[in-house]
Amino acid sequence: QKEVEQDPGPLSVPEGAIVSLNCTYSNSAFQYFMWYRQYSRKGPELLMYTYSSGNKEDGRFTAQVDKSSKYISLFIRDSQPSDSATYLCATPGTGNQFYFGTGTSLTVIP
Amino acid sequence: KAGVTQTPRYLIKTRGQQVTLSCSPISGHRSVSWYQQTPGQGLQFLFEYFSETQRNKGNFPGRFSGRQFSNSRSEMNVSTLELGDSALYLCASSLGHGYPTGELFFGEGSRLTVL
Repeated sequence: QKEVEQDPGPLSVPEGAIVSLNCTYSNSAFQYFMWYRQYSRKGPELLMYTYSSGNKEDGRFTAQVDKSSKYISLFIRDSQPSDSATYLCATPGTGNQFYFGTGTSLTVIP
Repeated sequence: KAGVTQTPRYLIKTRGQQVTLSCSPISGHRSVSWYQQTPGQGLQFLFEYFSETQRNKGNFPGRFSGRQFSNSRSEMNVSTLELGDSALYLCASSLGHGYPTGELFFGEGSRLTVL
């Protein structure tokens, strides 16, 4: 079992839609969770991170962690064509090793 | 502030050859990590170097190796290339201390194709 599993998608939504991206993780000891965004032919960049359970909001983006079900979510409100990218969930393991999901490809259609 | 620089961006090799990839981290970052990204497996951790020492290693065969220089620049080497080594190789730098060890800043990657 992989440390982090992610819905593979791809997702295609109309502009303005609410997008829900989801991951599950295996180890209840994980406490930090990150969402990275990767545009085509670019490296991933950190979008936001959360600690433990609860929600964190940043503009149109909300990250949610449910530790009881080991579930991580990223919601995008009022999605824009510029949000079209691959979204990766991640959590740090021992040392500086991060475990990443396989990524969900999102396309927002104008 | 300059970002993480990886060279070369694209390269094509044949089976059995070896390849060396280079990474220059953000100034002041002492940790450099390497990841392999493929469509089926996503990002998989190769190894991490901090102050010229390998601190952590993923589950890759010994054909994959790396090193870090005193200026924090890092190289990774893959010997005896196989078709399955075709991937995007990403380098990430971070401050490297504390938990979690700070944000990973990724380069744009080196895309390796093995024929």
